Amino acid sequence: DGGITQSPKYLFRKEGQNVTLSCEQNLNHDAMYWYRQDPGQGLRLIYYSQIVNDFQKGDIAEGYSVSREKKESFPLTVTSAQKNPTAFYLCASSTERLWRDEQFFGPGTRLTVL
Amino acid sequence: ILNVEQSPQSLHVQEGDSTNFTCSFPSSNFYALHWYRWETAKSPEALFVMTLNGDEKKKGRISATLNTKEGYSYLYIKGSQPEDSATYLCAFMDGGSQGNLIFGKGTKLSVKP
Repeated sequence: DGGITQSPKYLFRKEGQNVTLSCEQNLNHDAMYWYRQDPGQGLRLIYYSQIVNDFQKGDIAEGYSVSREKKESFPLTVTSAQKNPTAFYLCASSTERLWRDEQFFGPGTRLTVL
Repeated sequence: ILNVEQSPQSLHVQEGDSTNFTCSFPSSNFYALHWYRWETAKSPEALFVMTLNGDEKKKGRISATLNTKEGYSYLYIKGSQPEDSATYLCAFMDGGSQGNLIFGKGTKLSVKP
């Protein structure tokens, strides 16, 4: 079945540690995205990538980093510089760079900083 | 700062009731409007992508309309069923955003059998 997988589902991190969230898709999509959800807020864009080896900052990129070495994979690293990393993280992808295409979402990773 | 407002925040209806929600967005430089359904413990899934003023789209008992000149979209559910219980998200994209979808906070629908 085609889709987007994210791992792990739940992640606990100590303060000061970097952590990497995985996102893989087998939909052959060019574009991939990372969003963050906080209670009572809409999804906010962290980073997006339109093509391999290229990515752009979203609205809240500070304290995060990404890579896009393969079309299928778009991992997100939450660094120690992110001041409030506890949140629910969603990865998504879409077919092309036209931006009007619907986005397909993964199941999400809930990160908790202890 | 672009803002997308959804109302109501939550809604409780009985099975068989018809219902509708509103998404308000900036009326200038419109590019696209997305609707997603997000069921608990599942991934958000796309319902509609709307791009033209006056667009009306339908999927089963769910339909949506778009008014880009006044900056709103309505989502209608006819004859609500318990399986319609979910949070409904709308997301706006303007022409200068380079692909940045601005999401509303969602409308949480609960349908009681």
